[in-house]
Amino acid sequence: EDQVTQSPEALRLQEGESSSLNCSYTVSGLRGLFWYRQDPGKGPEFLFTLYSAGEEKEKERLKATLTKKESFLHITAPKPEDSATYLCAVQAIWGGKLTFGQGTILTVHP
Amino acid sequence: SQTIHQWPATLVQPVGSPLSLECTVEGTSNPNLYWYRQAAGRGLQLLFYSVGIGQISSEVPQNLSASRPQDRQFILSSKKLLLSDSGFYLCAWNNGVLDSGNTIYFGEGSWLTVV
Repeated sequence: EDQVTQSPEALRLQEGESSSLNCSYTVSGLRGLFWYRQDPGKGPEFLFTLYSAGEEKEKERLKATLTKKESFLHITAPKPEDSATYLCAVQAIWGGKLTFGQGTILTVHP
Repeated sequence: SQTIHQWPATLVQPVGSPLSLECTVEGTSNPNLYWYRQAAGRGLQLLFYSVGIGQISSEVPQNLSASRPQDRQFILSSKKLLLSDSGFYLCAWNNGVLDSGNTIYFGEGSWLTVV
């Protein structure tokens, strides 16, 4: 059974204080690992897809990396508008369904 | 471009009443469609997915059912709601066959409170 574990559950940062979110996964064959951002009361918004170990993708202050066992979402010099829940999900090779982690609630204080 | 619409956005229903949530996707053909539930604002649980009209797969036994009467329409229903059905319901879609690596995109969600 595919499993995704995200840590920490919640993270509080000061504006400009860089940090990383972790997503550990077990899947029998990885098709892709996805990162989403979710604002309160809204649907998840797609950020990145990573397909193979060593791959990296960037978008503004966010950078996602992937190894064979985990993925990191690095946030550089965050701003209050980066506050949201960040969700990680994996897609197995033989199924299009996504298995989600519980998410990390990020709060960035001005 | 593709868009996904989901309604109603919020609803409060008494225990034992029926439910119908509707989702439509525009700008694509033969999408894969999904219904997820998110409890307490955290992890998403897949409820149903569909690869075509009339083709529904259920992931967990529950009080809910899904139907796909048209290519880009997905409906989540219940005949009698339970308190435990309360939650945030999300419709989602992606292109291609089920085992593709295509990104899944979500609608804005429907908040259901059963009282």
